[in-house]
Amino acid sequence: EVQLVQSGAEVKKPGESLEIPCKGSGYSFTTFWIGWVRQMPGKGLEWMGIIYPADSDTRYSPSFQGQVTFSVDKSTNTAYLQWSSLKASDTAMYYCATASRWYGGYFDYWGQGTLVTVSS
Amino acid sequence: QSVLTQPPSVSGAPGQRVTISCTGSGSNIGAGFDVHWYQQLPETAPRLLISVNNKRPSGVPDRFSGSKSGTSASLAITGLQAEDEADYYCQSYDSRLSGWVFGGGTALTVL
Repeated sequence: EVQLVQSGAEVKKPGESLEIPCKGSGYSFTTFWIGWVRQMPGKGLEWMGIIYPADSDTRYSPSFQGQVTFSVDKSTNTAYLQWSSLKASDTAMYYCATASRWYGGYFDYWGQGTLVTVSS
Repeated sequence: QSVLTQPPSVSGAPGQRVTISCTGSGSNIGAGFDVHWYQQLPETAPRLLISVNNKRPSGVPDRFSGSKSGTSASLAITGLQAEDEADYYCQSYDSRLSGWVFGGGTALTVL
């Protein structure tokens, strides 16, 4: 069974750094893309970008380029979403999800989400 | 403002049929890129509902169907049930943005 498990809620202050994980299991981790989706409170889904674990080929949405960093650890089948300096506007639910292809693809399995709250 | 436009809300009585539209442009749906649909039940993660315009993943009831024509796509739900009350999102690829795009989402209310 394909599973993506994300970590629990995070509460951080503006300016702090954060890395949230997404651990995959039940499938070949390196042969499926992993993407990230933001959902701000009461709002819709936003595509942040996607990474291919086999070679770390990464595509960022123009809206998130330079704002976040994606990475993977193939030894633990874990993908990461990282911020170097959080802002209050980063407060949102963040989902990871798998995709079999990047070009024209879609997300077939989703993690349960990690709620990130940034507040002073 | 989303690249793909969906109605903010739709509603229907149990047993009825509803449709949700997703309107794009020549750089996404109109360029031939596939449309996919997701269902997000309250307080849960989204799940894939329809892929590649009209394909239902295993476990999705055949009451759900998708179609695409020109620069638009539609999700149809027949035999509406209370458990269908959720937010629905369309998604495609946009060549101008070189990335994926979601519709703004449609909240379905079962009366």
